[in-house]
Amino acid sequence: QVQLQESGPGLVKPSGTLSLTCAVSGDSISSSNWWHWVRQSPGKGLEWIAEIYHSGNTNYNPSLKSRVTISVDKSNNQFSLKLSSVTAADTAVYYCASSSRFRLDYWGQGTLVTVSS
Amino acid sequence: EIVVTQSPGTLSLSPGERATLSCRASQSVSSDYLAWYQQKPGQAPRLLIYGASNRATGIPDRFSGSGSGTDFTLTISRLEPEDSAVYYCQQYGTSPRYSFGQGTKLEIK
Repeated sequence: QVQLQESGPGLVKPSGTLSLTCAVSGDSISSSNWWHWVRQSPGKGLEWIAEIYHSGNTNYNPSLKSRVTISVDKSNNQFSLKLSSVTAADTAVYYCASSSRFRLDYWGQGTLVTVSS
Repeated sequence: EIVVTQSPGTLSLSPGERATLSCRASQSVSSDYLAWYQQKPGQAPRLLIYGASNRATGIPDRFSGSGSGTDFTLTISRLEPEDSAVYYCQQYGTSPRYSFGQGTKLEIK
Protein backbone atom coordinates (compact mmCIF):
# COMPACT_ATOMS: atom_id res chain seq x y z
CA GLN A 1 0.00 0.00 0.00
CA VAL A 2 1.26 3.44 -0.90
CA GLN A 3 2.10 5.76 1.99
CA LEU A 4 2.58 9.49 1.53
CA GLN A 5 4.02 12.03 3.95
CA GLU A 6 4.05 15.79 3.43
CA SER A 7 6.74 18.02 4.89
CA GLY A 8 7.64 21.68 4.75
CA PRO A 9 7.36 24.99 6.58
CA GLY A 10 4.08 25.59 8.36
CA LEU A 11 4.37 29.37 8.06
CA VAL A 12 5.12 31.39 4.93
CA LYS A 13 5.25 35.15 4.61
CA PRO A 14 2.95 36.97 2.18
CA SER A 15 4.48 37.32 -1.31
CA GLY A 16 6.84 34.47 -0.50
CA THR A 17 7.01 30.97 -1.97
CA LEU A 18 5.39 27.94 -0.37
CA SER A 19 7.51 24.79 -0.75
CA LEU A 20 6.35 21.32 0.20
CA THR A 21 7.69 17.81 -0.33
CA CYS A 22 5.85 14.50 -0.36
CA ALA A 23 7.83 11.38 0.52
CA VAL A 24 6.50 8.20 -1.08
CA SER A 25 6.86 4.75 0.46
CA GLY A 26 5.40 1.41 -0.50
CA ASP A 27 5.68 2.24 -4.19
CA SER A 28 8.18 3.64 -6.63
CA ILE A 29 7.73 7.20 -7.84
CA SER A 30 8.49 5.67 -11.25
CA SER A 31 5.47 3.37 -11.16
CA SER A 32 2.42 3.89 -13.36
CA ASN A 33 0.81 6.22 -10.81
CA TRP A 34 0.40 9.96 -11.12
CA TRP A 35 1.31 12.12 -8.12
CA HIS A 36 -0.84 15.01 -6.96
CA TRP A 37 -1.22 18.01 -4.70
CA VAL A 38 -4.65 18.97 -3.34
CA ARG A 39 -5.47 21.71 -0.84
CA GLN A 40 -8.30 22.53 1.52
CA SER A 41 -8.79 26.00 2.96
CA PRO A 42 -10.02 26.10 6.57
CA GLY A 43 -13.63 24.96 6.70
CA LYS A 44 -13.82 24.70 2.91
CA GLY A 45 -13.85 22.06 0.21
CA LEU A 46 -11.12 20.35 -1.77
CA GLU A 47 -9.17 22.05 -4.56
CA TRP A 48 -6.94 20.05 -6.91
CA ILE A 49 -3.67 21.85 -7.63
CA ALA A 50 -1.49 19.77 -9.93
CA GLU A 51 -0.26 16.33 -10.95
CA ILE A 52 2.99 14.87 -12.26
CA TYR A 53 4.11 11.61 -13.84
CA HIS A 54 7.59 10.23 -13.31
CA SER A 55 8.43 11.13 -16.91
CA GLY A 56 7.97 14.77 -15.99
CA ASN A 57 4.58 15.21 -17.64
CA THR A 58 2.50 17.67 -15.64
CA ASN A 59 -1.00 19.09 -15.48
CA TYR A 60 -2.05 22.14 -13.49
CA ASN A 61 -5.28 23.69 -12.31
CA PRO A 62 -5.71 26.74 -14.58
CA SER A 63 -6.69 28.85 -11.58
CA LEU A 64 -3.23 28.36 -10.05
CA LYS A 65 -1.07 27.49 -13.04
CA SER A 66 0.82 30.78 -13.22
CA ARG A 67 2.11 30.35 -9.65
CA VAL A 68 2.60 26.58 -9.32
CA THR A 69 5.48 24.24 -10.08
CA ILE A 70 5.35 20.52 -9.40
CA SER A 71 8.47 18.38 -9.73
CA VAL A 72 9.62 14.82 -9.10
CA ASP A 73 12.83 13.58 -7.44
CA LYS A 74 13.34 9.98 -8.47
CA SER A 75 16.53 9.49 -6.48
CA ASN A 76 14.70 10.22 -3.23
CA ASN A 77 11.31 8.78 -4.25
CA GLN A 78 9.51 12.05 -3.60
CA PHE A 79 7.81 14.91 -5.36
CA SER A 80 7.44 18.58 -4.54
CA LEU A 81 5.20 21.62 -4.83
CA LYS A 82 6.17 25.26 -5.12
CA LEU A 83 3.53 28.01 -4.99
CA SER A 84 4.79 31.54 -5.50
CA SER A 85 3.46 34.98 -4.57
CA VAL A 86 1.33 33.57 -1.76
CA THR A 87 -1.39 35.51 0.03
CA ALA A 88 -3.63 34.74 2.98
CA ALA A 89 -5.98 33.02 0.53
CA ASP A 90 -3.35 30.30 0.11
CA THR A 91 -3.62 29.32 3.77
CA ALA A 92 -4.79 25.72 3.70
CA VAL A 93 -4.10 22.12 4.52
CA TYR A 94 -2.04 20.75 1.65
CA TYR A 95 -2.37 17.07 0.80
CA CYS A 96 -0.29 14.95 -1.49
CA ALA A 97 -2.02 12.01 -3.16
CA SER A 98 -1.54 9.29 -5.77
CA SER A 99 -3.80 8.11 -8.54
CA SER A 100 -3.94 5.09 -10.79
CA ARG A 101 -6.95 5.77 -12.98
CA PHE A 102 -9.10 8.88 -12.69
CA ARG A 103 -9.35 8.86 -8.89
CA LEU A 104 -7.12 9.69 -5.93
CA ASP A 105 -6.43 6.35 -4.30
CA TYR A 106 -4.05 7.26 -1.49
CA TRP A 107 -3.60 10.48 0.46
CA GLY A 108 -1.05 11.85 2.88
CA GLN A 109 -2.23 13.08 6.27
CA GLY A 110 -1.96 16.69 5.15
CA THR A 111 0.07 19.63 6.39
CA LEU A 112 -1.27 23.03 7.40
CA VAL A 113 0.44 25.99 5.78
CA THR A 114 -0.40 29.44 7.10
CA VAL A 115 0.44 32.58 5.15
CA SER A 116 1.10 35.38 7.59
CA SER A 117 3.70 37.99 8.41
CA GLU B 1 -14.93 23.36 -17.26
CA ILE B 2 -17.34 20.83 -15.76
CA VAL B 3 -18.91 22.06 -12.52
CA VAL B 4 -19.92 19.47 -9.95
CA THR B 5 -22.76 20.28 -7.55
CA GLN B 6 -23.69 18.18 -4.53
CA SER B 7 -26.94 18.10 -2.61
CA PRO B 8 -28.08 18.40 0.05
CA GLY B 9 -25.53 20.53 1.84
CA THR B 10 -26.28 18.84 5.15
CA LEU B 11 -28.12 15.63 5.93
CA SER B 12 -29.17 14.61 9.42
CA LEU B 13 -30.31 11.00 9.89
CA SER B 14 -30.54 8.36 12.59
CA PRO B 15 -28.56 5.15 12.91
CA GLY B 16 -30.01 2.37 10.79
CA GLU B 17 -31.54 4.76 8.25
CA ARG B 18 -30.52 5.10 4.61
CA ALA B 19 -28.65 8.14 3.28
CA THR B 20 -28.91 9.27 -0.32
CA LEU B 21 -26.35 11.85 -1.49
CA SER B 22 -26.55 13.46 -4.91
CA CYS B 23 -23.84 14.67 -7.28
CA ARG B 24 -24.73 16.51 -10.47
CA ALA B 25 -22.31 17.49 -13.24
CA SER B 26 -22.86 20.44 -15.58
CA GLN B 27 -22.01 18.22 -18.56
CA SER B 28 -22.17 14.48 -19.14
CA VAL B 29 -19.36 12.60 -17.40
CA SER B 30 -18.17 9.09 -18.16
CA SER B 31 -18.96 6.78 -15.26
CA ASP B 32 -15.28 5.80 -15.26
CA TYR B 33 -14.49 9.37 -14.22
CA LEU B 34 -16.68 9.71 -11.13
CA ALA B 35 -15.48 9.00 -7.59
CA TRP B 36 -16.67 9.55 -4.02
CA TYR B 37 -14.63 10.30 -0.91
CA GLN B 38 -15.33 10.38 2.83
CA GLN B 39 -13.60 12.92 5.05
CA LYS B 40 -13.83 12.88 8.84
CA PRO B 41 -12.72 15.87 10.94
CA GLY B 42 -8.95 16.24 11.09
CA GLN B 43 -8.39 13.45 8.58
CA ALA B 44 -7.49 13.21 4.92
CA PRO B 45 -10.18 12.21 2.46
CA ARG B 46 -10.58 8.47 1.89
CA LEU B 47 -11.60 6.96 -1.44
CA LEU B 48 -14.96 5.19 -1.14
CA ILE B 49 -16.24 4.63 -4.67
CA TYR B 50 -14.57 4.83 -8.08
CA GLY B 51 -15.96 4.35 -11.56
CA ALA B 52 -19.30 5.56 -10.15
CA SER B 53 -20.16 2.18 -8.60
CA ASN B 54 -17.03 0.29 -7.57
CA ARG B 55 -16.16 0.12 -3.89
CA ALA B 56 -12.54 0.82 -3.00
CA THR B 57 -10.57 -1.74 -1.02
CA GLY B 58 -11.89 -2.26 2.50
CA ILE B 59 -15.08 -0.23 2.03
CA PRO B 60 -18.15 -1.91 3.58
CA ASP B 61 -20.93 -3.00 1.25
CA ARG B 62 -23.25 -0.56 3.04
CA PHE B 63 -21.74 2.01 0.68
CA SER B 64 -22.89 1.92 -2.92
CA GLY B 65 -22.67 4.24 -5.89
CA SER B 66 -24.84 4.57 -8.95
CA GLY B 67 -25.72 6.90 -11.78
CA SER B 68 -24.63 7.96 -15.23
CA GLY B 69 -24.42 10.98 -17.48
CA THR B 70 -24.88 14.02 -15.26
CA ASP B 71 -26.52 12.48 -12.19
CA PHE B 72 -24.76 10.27 -9.68
CA THR B 73 -25.75 8.99 -6.23
CA LEU B 74 -23.94 7.70 -3.17
CA THR B 75 -26.15 5.54 -0.97
CA ILE B 76 -25.27 4.49 2.55
CA SER B 77 -27.64 1.88 3.86
CA ARG B 78 -27.99 1.04 7.56
CA LEU B 79 -26.20 4.15 8.84
CA GLU B 80 -23.75 3.76 11.69
CA PRO B 81 -22.45 6.50 13.99
CA GLU B 82 -18.98 6.33 12.38
CA ASP B 83 -20.49 7.33 9.02
CA SER B 84 -20.69 10.91 10.27
CA ALA B 85 -18.44 12.81 7.86
CA VAL B 86 -18.33 15.08 4.83
CA TYR B 87 -18.71 13.29 1.52
CA TYR B 88 -17.25 14.65 -1.72
CA CYS B 89 -17.80 13.59 -5.29
CA GLN B 90 -15.01 14.13 -7.81
CA GLN B 91 -14.95 14.11 -11.57
CA TYR B 92 -11.99 13.64 -13.87
CA GLY B 93 -11.98 15.94 -16.84
CA THR B 94 -9.89 18.03 -19.18
CA SER B 95 -9.22 21.28 -17.41
CA PRO B 96 -8.88 21.06 -14.55
CA ARG B 97 -8.14 17.37 -14.53
CA TYR B 98 -9.84 16.84 -11.19
CA SER B 99 -12.70 18.83 -9.68
CA PHE B 100 -14.68 18.24 -6.52
CA GLY B 101 -18.18 19.04 -5.44
CA GLN B 102 -18.61 21.29 -2.44
CA GLY B 103 -19.42 18.34 -0.18
CA THR B 104 -22.38 16.97 1.77
CA LYS B 105 -22.12 16.91 5.54
CA LEU B 106 -23.77 13.82 6.98
CA GLU B 107 -24.73 14.01 10.63
CA ILE B 108 -25.83 10.93 12.55
CA LYS B 109 -28.30 11.89 15.27
